[in-house]
Amino acid sequence: SSELTQDPAVSVALGQTVRITCQGDSLRTYYPSWYQVKPGQAPVLVIYGQNNRPSGIPDRFSGSTSGNTTSLTITGAQAEDEADYYCNSRDSNGNYVFGTGTKVTVL
Amino acid sequence: EVQLVQSGAEVKKPGESLKISCKGSGYSFTSYWIGWVRQMPGKGLEWMGIIYPGDSDTTYSPSFQGHVTFSVDKSISTAYLQWSTLKASDTAMYYCARLRIGSGSYYFDYWGQGTLVTVSS
Repeated sequence: SSELTQDPAVSVALGQTVRITCQGDSLRTYYPSWYQVKPGQAPVLVIYGQNNRPSGIPDRFSGSTSGNTTSLTITGAQAEDEADYYCNSRDSNGNYVFGTGTKVTVL
Repeated sequence: EVQLVQSGAEVKKPGESLKISCKGSGYSFTSYWIGWVRQMPGKGLEWMGIIYPGDSDTTYSPSFQGHVTFSVDKSISTAYLQWSTLKASDTAMYYCARLRIGSGSYYFDYWGQGTLVTVSS
């Protein structure tokens, strides 16, 4: 099955902007989705489709895709954004692959 | 309000069987695929597969094919994940999630709270 690769960890100063990237061949065909996972909590969908936010997700979260790379951007990161973030995409075989995950630290 | 409520934590011994559940409410349960996701301790999310409650059509991740079984009981809007022979390596948190499909977008919009499965002798 396909693979989605993410940087293991990134850090961002409070109020600054951070971009998390995810690379994989399936992203050329299918829109990705992004999930926030905090310790002891279930994953939360933060971005889906071309660049859509579910109700309740702050507009500081945005997404973009170009070629085989998709990005999740947090503009004006807050302390509560500290979490692990995973991309996900369907592949041509009908599998739904998660990325390797990125730990975001807000300094 | 859409909700997925999973069964409680389980502690089992290697070789035992187990069936955990995920009950949907607040939407038409038979109209949306349900996915299962594993998170081993300190590790990332792993997609296990999906099941369509309307007709029990399933797709398993190659990594989990043959090791787990998905099923549903439409009459009580509940999906199940089961093991016939547990291993210590099955120790993990397991999540169910509803899959949304539309306009080229595929995403898991609602998640259960997770079921912690511990397999230890």
